[in-house]
Amino acid sequence: AQTVTQSQPEMSVQEAETVTLSCTYDTSESDYYLFWYKQPPSRQMILVIRQEAYKQQNATENRFSVNFQKAAKSFSLKISDSQLGDAAMYFCAYRSPYSGGGADGLTFGKGTHLIIQP
Amino acid sequence: DTGVSQDPRHKITKRGQNVTFRCDPISEHNRLYWYRQTLGQGPEFLTYFQNEAQLEKSRLLSDRFSAERPKGSFSTLEIQRTEQGDSAMYLCASSRGLVGTEAFFGQGTRLTVV
Repeated sequence: AQTVTQSQPEMSVQEAETVTLSCTYDTSESDYYLFWYKQPPSRQMILVIRQEAYKQQNATENRFSVNFQKAAKSFSLKISDSQLGDAAMYFCAYRSPYSGGGADGLTFGKGTHLIIQP
Repeated sequence: DTGVSQDPRHKITKRGQNVTFRCDPISEHNRLYWYRQTLGQGPEFLTYFQNEAQLEKSRLLSDRFSAERPKGSFSTLEIQRTEQGDSAMYLCASSRGLVGTEAFFGQGTRLTVV
């Protein structure tokens, strides 16, 4: 079974600065999907960024980018020019490319609570 | 609003009672997922539907839990004989197309068993 580890329970950053959230995972599969989801307080989880393992190029979405190191099984999220609205729980998640046999659904880490200091 | 909606948002029940939650996915989404999230943890996968067929059930889904998705539209999750350990946020998500595409989440149903 795959596991996802987020080693930073909480991170704090000054508004307008850059912060990196770390995520490592364990899998024996060669193809898979990785995600970062944001969960603001009392609001639904929304997708921040998605990476397909067969793509070497790191995904970017505006101020959000990832550093995907497949060999190291590392998938960190960089948030540039942090804004107050970025404050939330951030979850790293893994998805197998297969279906059945326990592969369906996302496997999440425990999350990182991001605090933005004004 | 065309997102995933869940009802109720909050439910308080006495231990031993049965509860049922509803999820309405985005209308064109054929995949529907249920997750459970306890305090300080990430969501944990419970079960998965493709259209009306329940194709996957986690070992977390004990015999007291049952889920349905009649006609491949909305889904219900029922918990029988609730226990205090069932207290959690129950999240529903839906997606379409290939495996690995974005899942859209609802706001969840927070269950408190007293």
